[in-house]
Amino acid sequence: QVQLQESGPGLVRPSETLSLICSVSGDSMGIWYWSWLRQPAGKALEWVGRIHSTGRTNYNPSLWGRVSISLDMSKNQFSLTLTSVTAADTAIYFCGRDWGLWGPGTMVTVSS
Amino acid sequence: QSVVTQPPSASGTPGQTVIISCSGSRSNIGDNSVNWYQYLPGTAPKLVIKSNYQRPSGVPGRFSGSKSGTSASLAITGLQSDDEADYYCAVYDDSLSAVVFGGGTKLTVL
Repeated sequence: QVQLQESGPGLVRPSETLSLICSVSGDSMGIWYWSWLRQPAGKALEWVGRIHSTGRTNYNPSLWGRVSISLDMSKNQFSLTLTSVTAADTAIYFCGRDWGLWGPGTMVTVSS
Repeated sequence: QSVVTQPPSASGTPGQTVIISCSGSRSNIGDNSVNWYQYLPGTAPKLVIKSNYQRPSGVPGRFSGSKSGTSASLAITGLQSDDEADYYCAVYDDSLSAVVFGGGTKLTVL
């Protein structure tokens, strides 16, 4: 069965760049939407963005200019890059396939 | 403030039926399919309803979804203590070219 796993640094300094990778196992990446979601502590789930297998991207308007999602189907991975981070970007980040399959999440803290 | 609105809380006793609403506009709920998630903080979101009313494999029949115009609802019948969680609606918004999530509804089983 298909499984997703997030990986990346758990601590990022303010103003620096957050980079996360989602590794997909159990199947080739196929034709799907690959997404990122996050949950700041005590707050609601927030959709970050997605990339289609064709390369088309959609991003949360509140993150425009700071967010980028890319796909590497040869490695069965996709990645999230978020620049100029602040404490408000501290959250659990989830990667997902289409609407229904999500990874266990990874905690990212923005702090000096 | 999300473009789709949910009540912040809902509650019921075991065995009861609870309905959670999700209100939006033509550009999101009106023209696109609504999905519902059950979420326990710190764990992977679980899709309980997809495409307005379809139940993914493994989701009990106690969960059902509906949509009318620019509003959608999630109904949970025969409420159980395990149902206590946060519930979110999610839908694509044509105007924003983005997926939007509701603010979430915290369900308490009394």
